[in-house]
Amino acid sequence: DAKTTQPPSMDCAEGRAANLPCNHSTISGNEYVYWYRQIHSQGPQYIIHGLKNNETNEMASLIITEDRKSSTLILPHATLRDTAVYYCIVRLGNTPLVFGKGTRLSVIA
Amino acid sequence: EAGVAQSPRYKIIEKRQSVAFWCNPISGHATLYWYQQILGQGPKLLIQFQNNGVVDDSQLPKDRFSAERLKGVDSTLKIQPAKLEDSAVYLCASSLTHWSPITDTQYFGPGTRLTVL
Repeated sequence: DAKTTQPPSMDCAEGRAANLPCNHSTISGNEYVYWYRQIHSQGPQYIIHGLKNNETNEMASLIITEDRKSSTLILPHATLRDTAVYYCIVRLGNTPLVFGKGTRLSVIA
Repeated sequence: EAGVAQSPRYKIIEKRQSVAFWCNPISGHATLYWYQQILGQGPKLLIQFQNNGVVDDSQLPKDRFSAERLKGVDSTLKIQPAKLEDSAVYLCASSLTHWSPITDTQYFGPGTRLTVL
């Protein structure tokens, strides 16, 4: 079973920041937070992952709270191509990815 | 860099028939994964290979599903005989390795959509 809780859906205006929350209150000290997304009719795509510190790459930023019980994925300037299902996954290294139902993000023009 | 290739993209079969899916991972990736994604749900891992050895097949219904990666490169997933509940998208993914968060980023193929009638 997935160890995370995400809202089933969210809307975001094109050009604005999309902030996708994830609760993982039972996370253990060695577990990482991963984010993948799945655009319609495609396979999932890796976005970012982190352990304790905030992380940023060319796609997004990951903000992890100090107690590590929740995190937020930030897409700084959402475009229509960012419309997808976003999965937040908590896992130890060398363990399978367990996908929940994710958050369906709709970016609106 | 070429991505993960899968074929066919779509397949329609009758129940009790057999079907096979093929996956060619990214060159140099030692770890290969097969997932099943039922409509409306997230992908579920079926089997994981490291080179040509099985790392995890705990969720593979072994009475009807089989998979192989004989030469440690491409892989085949087979269903025999198929049931109605096998209708799903079958995704293949690969990663450099599976033992480090630095090298275990999984790259997914486009999937094969199976419809069992």
